Amino acid sequence: DGGITQSPKYLFRKEGQNVTLSCEQNLNHDAMYWYRQDPGQGLRLIYYSQIVNDFQKGDIAEGYSVSREKKESFPLTVTSAQKNPTAFYLCASKLAGGTQPYNEQFFGPGTRLTVL
Amino acid sequence: AQSVAQPEDQVNVAEGNPLTVKCTYSVSGNPYLFWYVQYPNRGLQFLLKYITGDNLVKGSYGFEAEFNKSQTSFHLKKPSALVSDSALYFCAVSPLDSSASKIIFGSGTRLSIRP
Repeated sequence: DGGITQSPKYLFRKEGQNVTLSCEQNLNHDAMYWYRQDPGQGLRLIYYSQIVNDFQKGDIAEGYSVSREKKESFPLTVTSAQKNPTAFYLCASKLAGGTQPYNEQFFGPGTRLTVL
Repeated sequence: AQSVAQPEDQVNVAEGNPLTVKCTYSVSGNPYLFWYVQYPNRGLQFLLKYITGDNLVKGSYGFEAEFNKSQTSFHLKKPSALVSDSALYFCAVSPLDSSASKIIFGSGTRLSIRP
C-alpha cells in the first residue's frame, strides 16, 4: 500500500474511551489525510494537513482530533464525543499538498474500528 | 458547489466484455481527475489520472479513461473485463482553487464481473 502504514488493523473500543489510530509514511510527502468509510459508502474527509504543525478540519471533524508533529506521522484520535465511531478509517498522503494538485494520493491499508 | 458524481452504485459485466464505469464532475476551471480502486478491506490504489493533453488516459491493469470536457465526464473503461477486476471504484477530482488539498471523491461504483 505504497509506503504508508496504519496500525492497528483492527481496533475495539468501549463506549466512552478515546482511541488513537496510527498513520506513518516514508514517502516524504507533505500532505496527509484521514478519511472515514462506512459500509457501502464513499470516503468522508475528517482532517488533513499540508505541512508539519498545521492541519485543517475536513467535512466531519467533530469528535476527532489530530496532530502533525512530524512530517511522517499523522495520528488520529477518536474521542468519546464521536457518537458513532464504528467505521473503516483510511489514512492517505500526497506530495506537496495544494501546490501540486495533480499529484495522486497514496493510501494506507486502513484500520477497522468497532465500538463494543 | 464542487462535486463528483458516480451515477451507478453497481455495474455488472460478463468476463471478456468491455466495461465502463461512469463519472461526471462539477468544478470550476480545468480539473485534475483521478480513478482509484479498492479491494475488500484494503486501502485505495491509484489507477490513472488526467492532467492535460490527450483526452484518453491509460493506467494500471489495462484500464483507461476518457476525459470529455463538454460533457464534464471522465468515464473509466476496459476493453475486456476480468473476474479479478471486481472491486469498488472511485472517481476523484482535485480542484484548482485554494482548496486544492481537499480532493473530492465520488460515492463509488461496485464493479462485479461474472465468469
